Amino acid sequence: DAGVTQTPRHEVAEKGQTIILKCEPVSGHNDLFWYRQTKIQGLELLSYFRSKSLMEDGGAFKDRFKAEMLNSSFSTLKIQPTEPKDSAVYLCASSWGHQDTQYFGPGTRLLVL
Amino acid sequence: QQQVRQSPQSLTVWEGETAILNCSYEDSTFDYFPWYWQFPRESPALLIAIRPVSNKKEDGRFTIFFNKREKKLSLHITDSQPGDSATYFCAASSNYGNEKITFGAGTKLTIKP
Repeated sequence: DAGVTQTPRHEVAEKGQTIILKCEPVSGHNDLFWYRQTKIQGLELLSYFRSKSLMEDGGAFKDRFKAEMLNSSFSTLKIQPTEPKDSAVYLCASSWGHQDTQYFGPGTRLLVL
Repeated sequence: QQQVRQSPQSLTVWEGETAILNCSYEDSTFDYFPWYWQFPRESPALLIAIRPVSNKKEDGRFTIFFNKREKKLSLHITDSQPGDSATYFCAASSNYGNEKITFGAGTKLTIKP
């Protein structure tokens, strides 16, 4: 079984641009998570889907971050407009249920200039 | 507001010693506590998890001790090996209300040979 895949692996954006990150969860998993990871803030939950329904939209991240799950096997995270403080590793994870093992993708390393 | 706290922030022990990583939480409805580890330039992966029906969970050299009354957990790594050097995240989730998983800030463990 393929694990979680994320594209692109690296992204460089200018301030103010719109970028879209993509994630394909493990086949059959019901839950999908988007996280942002930085050395200062650690792992921060951006969005959480259960069976394609948005369960958590990340509170403080709502204004410029929008995650969508177009079907059970594909999700996107849009950041619009990007700011330098958005520079981080964005991780996608999936699981059977919210209290099952989360399998993380390799991440997208974003640099905003 | 940090619902899951970890200490220490970083820890160095000698090979063969026991490393003890601490975790505490605030929400008394939390009923699932996974520990994830993350090696440099890799994504987090599940190491071991415990549910409050028991106060101890063992997997080889890794043991979780759980104290429900004090809302504390600890991860003990016996006979530490240099390959155990990683960042360890304690996490928690609940079956009630907001079911999202909450991660602690992590403990960076270094094992010196």
